[in-house]
Formats: sequence, structure tokens, C-alpha cells
Amino acid sequence: GDSVTQMEGPVTLSEEAFLTINCTYTATGYPSLFWYVQYPGEGLQLLLKATKADDKGSNKGFEATYRKETTSFHLEKGSVQVSDSAVYFCALTKGSNYQLIWGAGTKLIIKP
Amino acid sequence: DVKVTQSSRYLVKRTGEKVFLECVQDMDHENMFWYRQDPGLGLRLIYFSYDVKMKEKGDIPEGYSVSREKKERFSLILESASTNQTSMYLCASRAQGETQYFGPGTRLLVL
Repeated sequence: GDSVTQMEGPVTLSEEAFLTINCTYTATGYPSLFWYVQYPGEGLQLLLKATKADDKGSNKGFEATYRKETTSFHLEKGSVQVSDSAVYFCALTKGSNYQLIWGAGTKLIIKP
Repeated sequence: DVKVTQSSRYLVKRTGEKVFLECVQDMDHENMFWYRQDPGLGLRLIYFSYDVKMKEKGDIPEGYSVSREKKERFSLILESASTNQTSMYLCASRAQGETQYFGPGTRLLVL
């Protein structure tokens, strides 16, 4: 069945470091791909999305490119800040009802 | 601005109690969802609803039921709480597009 695999956390970086959080997926057809972020004590919010191959989603300095050939949607940011500390979830949609299939989440810790 | 609210941020209940978790959205969305979030497991879908009085089982419905009497409100019911239902519960809503909007979550502890 459809699934999403993310790199395990926590990922710990220093401020201004380059960030990559890996996400790969298994799915039939052409799913849409998402990154959601959960800041401490809050619910999830959509960070970015891409709906077809080679699309690049971007928001708040984060980027991810939909790579169908490698079935990947890695999240990147050139220079992280302490305020980026959060849990990041990769997800894809399934079926005409747009149900989301979730990765396990990756906790990101940014140290000043 | 989009808003999904959940009735409690933290809840402590005893084994065997009946527990109600309420979720309200003010966006006139047709679709609403209940997830539980556990470390290392991500989000797992418990139930979802396409419209008033309609519900569908998700991946882990056992031990839960839901109610949607009004479009804006989607309730999750634990008929007889058990310790393995200790978790973070997240409600979400969605219009016809793909983006889901989440509430802040309810952290439930069952003793």
C-alpha cells in the first residue's frame, strides 16, 4: 500500500546551518506531496506542497521538489533559525477523497 | 482566518470512563477528521466525515466512535477509555481541496 518514509530524528543543527530532511514515498498513480510542521504545543500547519512531478513547493525559506524518478520530496532550507525548531511531517494524498498518508515525523532542534 | 478549535488542551480520565473530545471549525468545511499522534508512529486516522451525519472508519477505529450532528462540529467518543488510548488527539477539517487545517490538539492521559 501507499506509504511515506522520513528520516528518523531528532535532527540537531546549529543556527544558520543547511537543513535537509529526507522523505521518500511509495504510491500508485500521481499523489500530491506535502510538508506539514508542528511547533511545540500547537497543531499541524501546512508548510508547502507540490502536486505534480518536478514541481517545487516553497514557503518561509523552505523548499521541496517533487522527484518522481526517485520517489522523493526532501525538505531543505539554506539557513535555519532557532524558531524553526519543530516536528516536520511528510505526507501524500491517497484517492479521490484526498486522505493523507503520513510519515512518522522528524523532530528538528536548532541550537543558537 | 481559518480556525479549528478543540474543547480541551489537556485531559485526564480514568480507565472505563466515557470520554468526549469536541472539535469545531468555522470555515464551513464539509470534511472533518480525527487523528491520534504517537511518537514514532506519526498521525493515524481514526475516523473522518464527509458531511453531516456521515462517517467513515479510518485506519484505527477500534475503541472509538464519532458524531457529526452539525456541519461545524465533529465529536470523538471513547466509549470506555483504556490506558492504551493515552495519546495526542488532533482534529482537522478540509474543504474540497487537499489542504487540511488542524486544531491545537488534545493531550489525553488515561489512568
